[in-house]
Amino acid sequence: GQNIDQPTEMTATEGAIVQINCTYQTSGFNGLFWYQQHAGEAPTFLSYNVLDGLEEKGRFSSFLSRSKGYSYLLLKELQMKDSASYLCAVRDMNRDDKIIFGKGTRLHILP
Amino acid sequence: ETGVTQTPRHLVMGMTNKKSLKCEQHLGHNAMYWYKQSAKKPLELMFVYNFKEQTENNSVPSRFSPECPNSSHLFLHLHTLQPEDSALYLCASSQAQYGSGNKNIQYFGAGTRLSVL
Repeated sequence: GQNIDQPTEMTATEGAIVQINCTYQTSGFNGLFWYQQHAGEAPTFLSYNVLDGLEEKGRFSSFLSRSKGYSYLLLKELQMKDSASYLCAVRDMNRDDKIIFGKGTRLHILP
Repeated sequence: ETGVTQTPRHLVMGMTNKKSLKCEQHLGHNAMYWYKQSAKKPLELMFVYNFKEQTENNSVPSRFSPECPNSSHLFLHLHTLQPEDSALYLCASSQAQYGSGNKNIQYFGAGTRLSVL
């Protein structure tokens, strides 16, 4: 089976750094995605990791450790517009490459 | 704008009504998906179409009926729904290529907020 865990809610301050963790258990890992979803809007793609290590894209970075079944999304220089839900998702090659989503982490940014 | 358009954005229907949700993608993708997003639950995959052929039906009740007339359009026909079907219904598309090295990133529409009374 599959299980994806991430914190339900987090709060951080404008200008600060926040790390959102995601742990997963899957039989056929074939990539991990992070999506951002503002309330009432479409989830939008942020990052993709399939090999161990850090992928950096502007203020956002995503890290993967396949041996630990662990990923994190790092957001730097937080802005008020970063208030959103962040969805961790894993693709499973043993399930026709289906992408399974976590429940998401709702991030609140305080001024 | 993600290139995936869903209509209507909001829908209220009674349990005896019949309605349809529409999704259109302008990205030239070959795969389309329907997801259900309920409060405090993860996104649940409902249906997958690859090259217009349905390849996934995730034990969805028959009161939900998908239709994919071509690679750019996807419908979800609804009839005799239950109040617990109230949720956000999201459509997504991707360029599906199997094998290593393909990200197969899914691009989502903004969803239809459905309320069943």
